Amino acid sequence: NAGVTQTPKFQVLKTGQSMTLQCAQDMNHNSMYWYRQDPGMGLRLIYYSASEGTTDKGEVPNGYNVSRLNKREFSLRLESAAPSQTSVYFCASRRGQGGELFFGEGSRLTVL
Amino acid sequence: KQEVTQIPAALSVPEGENLVLNCSFTDSAIYNLQWFRQDPGKGLTSLLLIQSSQREQTSGRLNASLDKSSGRSTLYIAASQPGDSATYLCAVEGGSEKLVFGKGTKLTVNP
Repeated sequence: NAGVTQTPKFQVLKTGQSMTLQCAQDMNHNSMYWYRQDPGMGLRLIYYSASEGTTDKGEVPNGYNVSRLNKREFSLRLESAAPSQTSVYFCASRRGQGGELFFGEGSRLTVL
Repeated sequence: KQEVTQIPAALSVPEGENLVLNCSFTDSAIYNLQWFRQDPGKGLTSLLLIQSSQREQTSGRLNASLDKSSGRSTLYIAASQPGDSATYLCAVEGGSEKLVFGKGTKLTVNP
């Protein structure tokens, strides 16, 4: 019973490097989300996808891009990593608006 | 803009005590409210989801209430146990797809 799976769990990057965080859900959910969690700031929405083929900006989208590859997968890309992007990133999914939200275990990213 | 506040930021209680965690929000036009639990180094786990038309939801020793008019929700934990130690977050959903999260209350239950 996998739920929401994120890879990698840990990553260290140098400033300017690029990387992609992968997320997959096996619950046949329509909506998928990427959040970042920082001490004192709480959870902030980066991007979301309400359905396959659509993506929308959240509260803090600058420096990130996303791809809803298919109904199961939603990836987050950092094109040129900055130290300010050091954070814990969470992927989440749910059936649709108003539904219960399910989270992955998180990806801990450090940018040096 | 919706703002969600959780007070206190941290709470320490002895095992067996009944306790209440608070969540307040500024815009009462919400779709629903969800309570989560987060253990250190882990993701968020959904505890209870209350739709705007509901007043409360119960799951085991947990009971969540919702008062939209006053912009408040409470999470009641009965007979607390050391295993309940975690950070508890609430999130409200307005008319869009976006949930707004509080910063959480860190609960410690002492044996």
